[in-house]
Amino acid sequence: KNEVEQSPQNLTAQEGEFITINCSYSVGISALHWLQQHPGGGIVSLFMLSSGKKKHGRLIATINIQEKHSSLHITASHPRDSAVYICAVFQGGSEKLVFGKGTKLTVNP
Amino acid sequence: DAGVTQSPTHLIKTRGQHVTLRCSPISGHKSVSWYQQVLGQGPQFIFQYYEKEERGRGNFPDRFSARQFPNYSSELNVNALLLGDSALYLCASSLDPDRGLGDTQYFGPGTRLTVL
Repeated sequence: KNEVEQSPQNLTAQEGEFITINCSYSVGISALHWLQQHPGGGIVSLFMLSSGKKKHGRLIATINIQEKHSSLHITASHPRDSAVYICAVFQGGSEKLVFGKGTKLTVNP
Repeated sequence: DAGVTQSPTHLIKTRGQHVTLRCSPISGHKSVSWYQQVLGQGPQFIFQYYEKEERGRGNFPDRFSARQFPNYSSELNVNALLLGDSALYLCASSLDPDRGLGDTQYFGPGTRLTVL
């Protein structure tokens, strides 16, 4: 079993829909990243959070440390949001980022 | 300011050859991490270097090695290439891993290595 599990693996939505991507982890962590990867490979860090909730534009990330679960929400989705969204955690006491396999989001016009 | 840069962007090698990948961190960042991303999978941690010393190592064979230079740039070397080494190799830089709460990493565009 992977230390970081994401769901769903693939997600197709219509423009304007509200999107939720989930991440569960089984290890103690010091922080969690949500990352966006576009075709071609470039990775952009969207959020780093260790508690509560963060919001940036149409993106919202939440984390529940007790339940070892985080969600990434996209409001009013747009075709340019189409990308792979990756959850990654810093294991407690380690310098290592452990990644989920990613969720491929396709938003159709 | 320039972000993390990597070179080359694409590379084709044959089995048994060796390869050197290069990474320049964001100015002021002292830590560099390397990741391997096989098609369809999330990245896997290979190494982290901070202040020219190895801070962490993932589950990769000794064919993989790296170093960090006084200007904080880094090289990843892979010897005796195998077909399974074909992947996107990502470099990420951060300020200082001792800052706690997980030091934010900034990723480069990656080097796509194809082994034939």
